[in-house]
Amino acid sequence: NAGVTQTPKFQVLKTGQSMTLQCAQDMNHNSMYWYRQDPGMGLRLIYYSASEGTTDKGEVPNGYNVSRLNKREFSLRLESAAPSQTSVYFCASRPPEQGSYEQYFGPGTRLTVT
Amino acid sequence: AQKITQTQPGMFVQEKEAVTLDCTYDTSDPSYGLFWYKQPSSGEMIFLIYQGSYDQQNATEGRYSLNFQKARKSANLVISASQLGDSAMYFCAMRGMIYNQGGKLIFGQGTELSVKP
Repeated sequence: NAGVTQTPKFQVLKTGQSMTLQCAQDMNHNSMYWYRQDPGMGLRLIYYSASEGTTDKGEVPNGYNVSRLNKREFSLRLESAAPSQTSVYFCASRPPEQGSYEQYFGPGTRLTVT
Repeated sequence: AQKITQTQPGMFVQEKEAVTLDCTYDTSDPSYGLFWYKQPSSGEMIFLIYQGSYDQQNATEGRYSLNFQKARKSANLVISASQLGDSAMYFCAMRGMIYNQGGKLIFGQGTELSVKP
């Protein structure tokens, strides 16, 4: 049981390049999330997927697209990377039940855009 | 709108002493949950403790307790008997239960705790 996995762990891009961050969970969770964390700030939600087949914008969606490929996988795409997207990106998932269930986080992807 | 505020960017505590990390929140959701996460220097997010807005008692998990004061909209984390391994960034987060489609979390800015030997 690997939990939430993210690839790659580190990435350096040049301005204008594109890339896809991959996320997968093996806990049969319905909901999945993408956050970014900038220095001195908490995590901010980029996009989320409440269930397979649905995606919705979070607080900071500009410059990103997502795909919920199946129940396990939720990818984040940067079409044309900008230096402002230099950040640490976290994927998370949550069980479908209501209540106290916390979000489970992946290890993060550290992205630098030069 | 929902908001989480952590007013202490950094805190120091002596090993074996207790420390309180502050968190205040604002929400229009009548039912909500409050979470604390720990982020050590290695970067992973570790869930510590949860408090529901209708829970009668304050949550406790080992050395962690949540001092929940609903009228004051505060959800402070108390760490008893601090250990060197407690040095980390701590985030308070909230999830609305009624109006929050998708179970989204809102995070505070974090408090960096340093435990001195």
